[in-house]
Amino acid sequence: GQQVMQIPQYQHVQEGEDFTTYCNSSTTLSNIQWYKQRPGGHPVFLIQLVKSGEVKKQKRLTFQFGEAKKNSSLHITATQTTDVGTYFCAGYYGQNFVFGPGTRLSVLP
Amino acid sequence: DAGVTQSPTHLIKTRGQHVTLRCSPISGHKSVSWYQQVLGQGPQFIFQYYEKEERGRGNFPDRFSARQFPNYSSELNVNALLLGDSALYLCASSGTFMRNTGELFFGEGSRLTVL
Repeated sequence: GQQVMQIPQYQHVQEGEDFTTYCNSSTTLSNIQWYKQRPGGHPVFLIQLVKSGEVKKQKRLTFQFGEAKKNSSLHITATQTTDVGTYFCAGYYGQNFVFGPGTRLSVLP
Repeated sequence: DAGVTQSPTHLIKTRGQHVTLRCSPISGHKSVSWYQQVLGQGPQFIFQYYEKEERGRGNFPDRFSARQFPNYSSELNVNALLLGDSALYLCASSGTFMRNTGELFFGEGSRLTVL
């Protein structure tokens, strides 16, 4: 079956440092979405990438979709304590979204 | 406008019992999906319903079933509960049939504990 992998599993950073999480699919994706889940909360949509090589920015967040549409990354510049949470990528495989295991980010003030 | 609402928020059951979880999508959304999220893992797809028809099913046993009503609300039923069914059950609504599009709007979830 389709698999979505994410690394790292955990990341601890000092406030102000940068953070990157990587997402890899075993097969080519139609599109990929990113979600953020705060501790005790529910996943909240961040962005969707559709085109090969696509790059999108949201303030301090930069999202990339690989040329082969099999990988993606999320980069946060100058992390803040409000960035704490688990970041999930979700790949669309023609019928449903398959979520990765997530990267849990903790930010030390 | 109200977001996706789920009930109950928390519940405790014992092995072998049955549970029904309910979800009301965002007004105007016709697609409802159910996900199971075990602690420390990503959401796992269970079902998708669109216009009251099942449009997708994940790799879950037949103990799991769902339906969508004419008002687009949905129920997830789980029979013969096992300890491993303990999880956060998330409902997500979407304005489209999720073909290459469609942000998922998640509810707060129903946290099920099976003892």
